[in-house]
Parts: sequence; C-alpha cells; structure tokens
Amino acid sequence: AQSVTQLGSHVSVSEGALVLLRCNYSSSVPPYLFWYVQYPNQGLQLLLKYTSAATLVKGINGFEAEFKKSETSFHLTKPSAHMSDAAEYFCAVTFNFGNEKLTFGTGTRLTIIP
Amino acid sequence: AAGVIQSPRHLIKEKRETATLKCYPIPRHDTVYWYQQGPGQDPQFLISFYEKMQSDKGSIPDRFSAQQFSDYHSELNMSSLELGDSALYFCASSAGNTGELFFGEGSRLTVL
Repeated sequence: AQSVTQLGSHVSVSEGALVLLRCNYSSSVPPYLFWYVQYPNQGLQLLLKYTSAATLVKGINGFEAEFKKSETSFHLTKPSAHMSDAAEYFCAVTFNFGNEKLTFGTGTRLTIIP
Repeated sequence: AAGVIQSPRHLIKEKRETATLKCYPIPRHDTVYWYQQGPGQDPQFLISFYEKMQSDKGSIPDRFSAQQFSDYHSELNMSSLELGDSALYFCASSAGNTGELFFGEGSRLTVL
C-alpha cells in the first residue's frame, strides 16, 4: 500500500533560518507527491506538487521540494522562515493521477521562533 | 475565485443522534472527496464521487453514507453518532487530471 512518512511531528526554527520538513514515501511505482499546509481552524492548502515532470518543484510562499527517487524522499524546504509559516504541514501521495485519493502523512507542526 | 463551501462549519450533537454535512464544490469540478481528521491526526479518506457516482471508498463506517447530487454538491450523512466521530470533516473537489484537490475549510463535528 502507498504511504508517506514524515519525520518529526514538531519542528522549530528561528525566524530567518532554513526550514526543512522531511517526507519519505513507500512505493513500487512512480508516485505523485504533494505538500499541503493547514493553518489553525482552516482547510488544507496546496503548497506544491510533484507529477513526474521536474524533480525540483517550486510552490507558493517561497517553498520548494525535491523529488529524489534514490532516497524515496520529497523533503520540503524554505531558505528563510517567516513567522507566518507557522502551521501544520502534510505530505501526501497518490499513485493514480486523476483520481486524487490522497494518503496523508501524520503531519509536522512548524513553530517559528522570533 | 469561488472555493469549496462546507456547511455547517460547526455542529454539536449528542450520542446516537444523526448529522448531515454539506459540500458545494468549485464550479465545474466533477469529483468530490470526503476526509475525516481527528484531533491531532492526519486526514483520513472516507469516500469520493465522480459524476454523481461513488468512485472510491476508504475507511468510512457503515453508519455513514454519502451521495453526490445532480448539481454536484455532496452530503455526508452520519447516524448513531459516537464520541469517536468528533472530528473535522473536510470536503475537497477536483476537476479532471489536474493532480490537485481543493479543500473546504471543514465542518467541525462535536459529539457529546
């Protein structure tokens, strides 16, 4: 079965520091990978997606992620954290592009230290 | 731009009662998905509809049912509510092979 694992349920970084949120997937076929952000009491917003085109994907709010098949990873990064980045981040996977029944990771809560 | 609309945003019910959640997808989106997110949990897929037909089914209890109507809105019906049903219920919609789900802001169900 398809799955994603997010390492670290809580990550804290200082404002202006690098943000790195880890996601590894389990698959025997090419996956389609997504990062979503959830602000308190709000829905999920798509940050970026990998759909087998470029391996380095740029998303909104300065985030990007790199698909590394050899490492089965799709880590999310941002060069400089902003206070407004504080939120819950979910990595998600599907193997059936066009039927976007996503399987989510357990989420990483990002805290920004002033 | 129009987003996915869910109602009600908040709902409080007693055990063994029933509840109905509604979802209005983005115009021209033909697929609707329902997810359940328990406290501190990741969203779990419940069920999806494509062109008014059930397209996939996840971990949806037998006490729950859902349908998509001719105007593409969807309703999730929950009966014999249990304390464990307290969660945030998300609806999402998509249009064709875009690889993207658009989520509503969720309906928070509290069962007392």
